[in-house]
Amino acid sequence: DTAVSQTPKYLVTQMGNDKSIKCEQNLGHDTMYWYKQDSKKFLKIMFSYNNKELIINETVPNRFSPKSPDKAHLNLHINSLELGDSAVYFCASSHVSLGTGLNTEAFFGQGTRLTVV
Amino acid sequence: LAKTTQPISMDSYEGQEVNITCSHNNIATNDYITWYQQFPSQGPRFIIQGYKTKVTNEVASLFIPADRKSSTLSLPRVSLSDTAVYYCLVGGEIFYDGRGDKVIFGPGTSLSATP
Repeated sequence: DTAVSQTPKYLVTQMGNDKSIKCEQNLGHDTMYWYKQDSKKFLKIMFSYNNKELIINETVPNRFSPKSPDKAHLNLHINSLELGDSAVYFCASSHVSLGTGLNTEAFFGQGTRLTVV
Repeated sequence: LAKTTQPISMDSYEGQEVNITCSHNNIATNDYITWYQQFPSQGPRFIIQGYKTKVTNEVASLFIPADRKSSTLSLPRVSLSDTAVYYCLVGGEIFYDGRGDKVIFGPGTSLSATP
């Protein structure tokens, strides 16, 4: 009964490839997010969706494209992967939409460790 | 600049009480204080949130003085499984890193519990 599940957990791929990370939440939340955590443990907001609508779109390269087929799913597609894209990507959800989501109780997935070689 | 300051790391023995203090001198009137916990290879997990005085739940207690310029997360009896990174957030804290990316939190306090 995982609340927020994302797949895959690990992703190793070559530069230039296109890859997707899937995320699903079974909490009935209206808002979902994608975050990127770098090697220094800084967690950065990338996107926020509320009821399938894009709310926050930070200065992320347009190679990153989120897609929300319904409010329980928010997938992240990355085109033309670069070495600098290597990081851990977290999907999260919260009941209410409060900006970046972390001043409320946000629920996170286990993360996807992306390594670009 | 980050709105919060907390120690980079702390060590503790099992069974001890651990207090992690976070400074937030510029907290705004309508800001809440929120703490998250992150275990290795897992996503952050909400622990506790408060506005003033004291909040307690099954995991921790949060002490907030009257001026609200700091807060202390208290873990009553630390066990090995409490080894994690603890993040303090104020309001919708956002700051920008050297590349101009919006940073939500980091790097937190790395708590290491030993037998």
